[in-house]
Amino acid sequence: GENVEQHPSTLSVQEGDSAVIKCTYSDSASNYFPWYKQELGKRPQLIIDIRSNVGEKKDQRIAVTLNKTAKHFSLHITETQPEDSAVYFCALPSPSGGYNKLIFGAGTRLAVHP
Amino acid sequence: DSGVTQTPKHLITATGQRVTLRCSPRSGDLSVYWYQQSLDQGLQFLIQYYNGEERAKGNILERFSAQQFPDLHSELNLSSLELGDSALYFCASSIGGAYNEQFFGPGTRLTVL
Repeated sequence: GENVEQHPSTLSVQEGDSAVIKCTYSDSASNYFPWYKQELGKRPQLIIDIRSNVGEKKDQRIAVTLNKTAKHFSLHITETQPEDSAVYFCALPSPSGGYNKLIFGAGTRLAVHP
Repeated sequence: DSGVTQTPKHLITATGQRVTLRCSPRSGDLSVYWYQQSLDQGLQFLIQYYNGEERAKGNILERFSAQQFPDLHSELNLSSLELGDSALYFCASSIGGAYNEQFFGPGTRLTVL
């Protein structure tokens, strides 16, 4: 099926803490897992993505981990800063339509408090 | 700036009316996607075009239609507008299909009164 569940829906952390957002999916053929960040009043932007031939990918303070067996992938943000406050969406290509469309999770609103 | 442009930025209209939203993709991108984002909601996929052809459809209402022109710009037509159609409509473009990074435009905020 074409379903991706994202948790939590809201996350509040203190500056400097870590934040983890998790997405689970049902299509075992999925092999591309992007994360998008949408700041208030702005457009979504890709921040990191992972393909299924690797289990983890890092880019400075952000990382994505993938567990294909359990069908979940997670976004990790370390040493959070106020500018990390935004809505984060996971996504994956949907099998319907020949994997031409991305299905987005419901989003996680992250608030980083100074 | 993503390189994707959308016009108009804001649109206010009345129920029952018809509007057209326009999107120009990044130079070199062949795919255009349309999304609807209602207040505090996620990104709902509407439709995708690749090089002028429809490739994928989401839960797009029959009152909505879209097309991609030979110059690759795209238009989303919304007709018989209802209050519930009020939302932010994003266009995104990518080189190919869903396995490529999507670059989003600034969005068109539609308000139906």
